[in-house]
Amino acid sequence: KQEVTQIPAALSVPEGENLVLNCSFTDSAIYNLQWFRQDPGKGLTSLLLIQSSQREQTSGRLNASLDKSSGRSTLYIAASQPGDSATYLCAVRDNAGNMLTFGGGTRLMVKP
Amino acid sequence: GAGVSQSPRYKVAKRGQDVALRCDPISGHVSLFWYQQALGQGPEFLTYFQNEAQLDKSGLPSDRFFAERPEGSVSTLKIQRTQQEDSAVYLCASSLAGTGGYEQYFGPGTRLTVT
Repeated sequence: KQEVTQIPAALSVPEGENLVLNCSFTDSAIYNLQWFRQDPGKGLTSLLLIQSSQREQTSGRLNASLDKSSGRSTLYIAASQPGDSATYLCAVRDNAGNMLTFGGGTRLMVKP
Repeated sequence: GAGVSQSPRYKVAKRGQDVALRCDPISGHVSLFWYQQALGQGPEFLTYFQNEAQLDKSGLPSDRFFAERPEGSVSTLKIQRTQQEDSAVYLCASSLAGTGGYEQYFGPGTRLTVT
């Protein structure tokens, strides 16, 4: 059974710092990996989708990488802003099914 | 265009009551998913539809949980005889197709509190 782990569980940084969020998964037979943002009391907003054949995806200040063989993905946030404060979730879709398996999330706070 | 919508946004139920949660997917999306998110945790898969067919219900925690999508569009998740451990946010997601690496788009969720 696929298991997804996110480290750290919580992170507090001053505004302007570059930061890295980590995601690891136990079964490398994945179809794709998605990074989401969740604001308190809200649903999930998709940030980046990386197909299994891709190594990275970029959107603005966000860059996500995927190393399928080692079961790892990272989300890099450049020049963090207070508006980036949220919970970040990674989720993998296995080759065997259509559902997503989520990590527990990293709760990020960016202080002005 | 409109995203995934869910109703109600908040539901308080007394233990033992039945509840019904509705999901309106993005128009034309073939696949629909339900997830359950406990406080402080990531979402967990409940069930999956491709059009009106329920192809996977392996995540439903008990036979008190039932989902349907009779016309391949709107879906309803029903929980019978609610218990306190059912308190969670229920998220619905849709994607364009059942195969291929399509993104899942999530609704705002329904927060269920069982008292």
